[in-house]
Amino acid sequence: QVQLVESGGGLVKPGGSLRLSCSASGFTFSDYYMSWIRQAPGKGPEWVSYMGSSSNSIYYADSVKGRVTISRDNAKKSLYLQMDSLRVDDSAVYYCARGVGGHYNGYNYFYMDVWGKGTTVTVS
Amino acid sequence: QSVLTQPPSASGTPGQRVTISCSGSSSNIGGSYVCWYQQLPGTAPRLLIYRDNQRPSWVPDRFSGSKSGTSASLTISGLRSEDEADYYCASWDDTLRGVFGGGTRLTVL
Repeated sequence: QVQLVESGGGLVKPGGSLRLSCSASGFTFSDYYMSWIRQAPGKGPEWVSYMGSSSNSIYYADSVKGRVTISRDNAKKSLYLQMDSLRVDDSAVYYCARGVGGHYNGYNYFYMDVWGKGTTVTVS
Repeated sequence: QSVLTQPPSASGTPGQRVTISCSGSSSNIGGSYVCWYQQLPGTAPRLLIYRDNQRPSWVPDRFSGSKSGTSASLTISGLRSEDEADYYCASWDDTLRGVFGGGTRLTVL
């Protein structure tokens, strides 16, 4: 069964740090892009970051660039998000998601086909 | 303020067909494929449509997607009560960063 389980969320003061983890099972983790997406209460999802299968192709949203670092350990089938200098507006449910991307008929595509249940980060 | 624009709400009665729109620009929808996610209350988003109009195996054929230029649409035919959820469109911009719509809350009357 394909599954993603996030952990590491919690309550932190502004300026603090947290490290989120995502444990994968049921698929060949090293074959896939992996992403972090967050969703503030009552808001739509916001893409945060993604990383290619071999830790290449790392991208960050402008809202978190310079404050977060995505990483992965393919041997442990795990994805991480180190978050520093946290702000109140970083409060959200953070989802780990499996990504599928490529180029087809002249256009890029990328979508998240498996999502975890999320871990809640509260900055207050 | 989301990069992609969706109507905040939509509604229909059981059995009806409902269409949800998603508007973007040449730097996102106009240059990349669109996908759609369904989010039931209290759950994580779930992939509904990818590459504009492709359905994962777990999605019934009542759900369909289309795209024209810088706009995309999700159509739900034969509306059912269990379709009541939030629906989000998403795409990628020309800097290879993801963008989402603000979401459409679908109510089944």
